Amino acid sequence: GENVEQHPSTLSVQEGDSAVIKCTYSDSASNYFPWYKQELGKGPQLIIDIRSNVGEKKDQRIAVTLNKTAKHFSLHITETQPEDSAVYFCAARPPFLNAGGTSYGKLTFGQGTILTVHP
Amino acid sequence: DTEVTQTPKHLVMGMTNKKSLKCEQHMGHRAMYWYKQKAKKPPELMFVYSYEKLSINESVPSRFSPECPNSSLLNLHLHALQPEDSALYLCASSQVVPTRTDTQYFGPGTRLTVL
Repeated sequence: GENVEQHPSTLSVQEGDSAVIKCTYSDSASNYFPWYKQELGKGPQLIIDIRSNVGEKKDQRIAVTLNKTAKHFSLHITETQPEDSAVYFCAARPPFLNAGGTSYGKLTFGQGTILTVHP
Repeated sequence: DTEVTQTPKHLVMGMTNKKSLKCEQHMGHRAMYWYKQKAKKPPELMFVYSYEKLSINESVPSRFSPECPNSSLLNLHLHALQPEDSALYLCASSQVVPTRTDTQYFGPGTRLTVL
């Protein structure tokens, strides 16, 4: 099955600095890579995702890059703000599986990165 | 609207109690998921429903019993739980489109404590 490794496990930056979180995956068939932000006491919230036919995607201060050959993808946050402090999870998913006549997509998550942005 | 709602927010139960967690979405998603999340860990998949049918059971103990009454609702019935079952239980939903990738949207979770 898929295995996703995420680094670093903790990241501390000053407000205004950039933050980079990296993930590697093992299954070359994986074609969908979302990033989730989870604040204390809340559920994971999708912040950006990328599909395997795209190398980079940007949404305001957040960008994700994908290197299919190396099987790694990264989250870049620029001009960090204290409200960016949270746990960030990367995930990977292979194409839909058929199970009992239906289909679904199983996400495999990285272990998470605790990002702290100091004012 | 990409909202998944879950009730209750918090639940404390004894090991002999029976309780249920509820999840609802109105995005027209036909896949719904239950995850368990321990502190400082990623979510772990428990069950997947696709078109209201149980598609995947990730070897979850029978003291957890899922139910999907209709395309918008997902329940998780709890009975004879153990203290180690204390965790955040997350519901998620997504499209089921075999030819395309999808996005899973998570609810806020139910914080369960088993005494």
